[in-house]
Amino acid sequence: GNSVTQMEGPVTLSEEAFLTINCTYTATGYPSLFWYVQYPGEGLQLLLKATKADDKGSNKGFEATYRKETTSFHLEKGSVQVSDSAVYFCALSDRPSNSGYALNFGKGTSLLVTP
Amino acid sequence: NAGVTQTPKFQVLKTGQSMTLQCAQDMNHNSMYWYRQDPGMGLRLIYYSASEGTTDKGEVPNGYNVSRLNKREFSLRLESAAPSQTSVYFCASSVQIPGQFFGPGTRLTVL
Repeated sequence: GNSVTQMEGPVTLSEEAFLTINCTYTATGYPSLFWYVQYPGEGLQLLLKATKADDKGSNKGFEATYRKETTSFHLEKGSVQVSDSAVYFCALSDRPSNSGYALNFGKGTSLLVTP
Repeated sequence: NAGVTQTPKFQVLKTGQSMTLQCAQDMNHNSMYWYRQDPGMGLRLIYYSASEGTTDKGEVPNGYNVSRLNKREFSLRLESAAPSQTSVYFCASSVQIPGQFFGPGTRLTVL
């Protein structure tokens, strides 16, 4: 079956530090890959996505590249801000049959950025 | 557009009580989903509806039922609540392209 594994947190960084959150996946076929962010007390928001191998998703300074050879989709940001403090979820979605695009989520990585 | 809305935001139940969580979307999406979020577990799919008139079980359907009332609304019912159903419940919707839009969640406590 499909699964997503991401690094456990919490991750604590100083402002302007470099961020990497590792994510690897197991899937049959050719999934689409996502990073979602959850700010305290809120629902999940789509941060970025990639739908095929070698695609790079990017948004708000965050980037992730779909690496089929290593089955990875690591999230990176060059300089984090206090406002980036949140929980980050890696997720995948198989090609649909008639089932819509149900997502398989990793367990989430909590990020705390200190001034 | 309000996006995906959920009611209620918070709920406390006693074991054995029933309740229905409501979800509505105004984006004309075909597919809708219910997830639960538990600490250290990520989000797990309870039920989904690929299109109006269809529903299917996800990873953790036991103890729940759903109704796709129309294209906009997708409700989740707990017939006899148990403490193991204490969780945060999220509704989501999508069109037939990857990526889902999530509601703000319902925090449910079962005593």
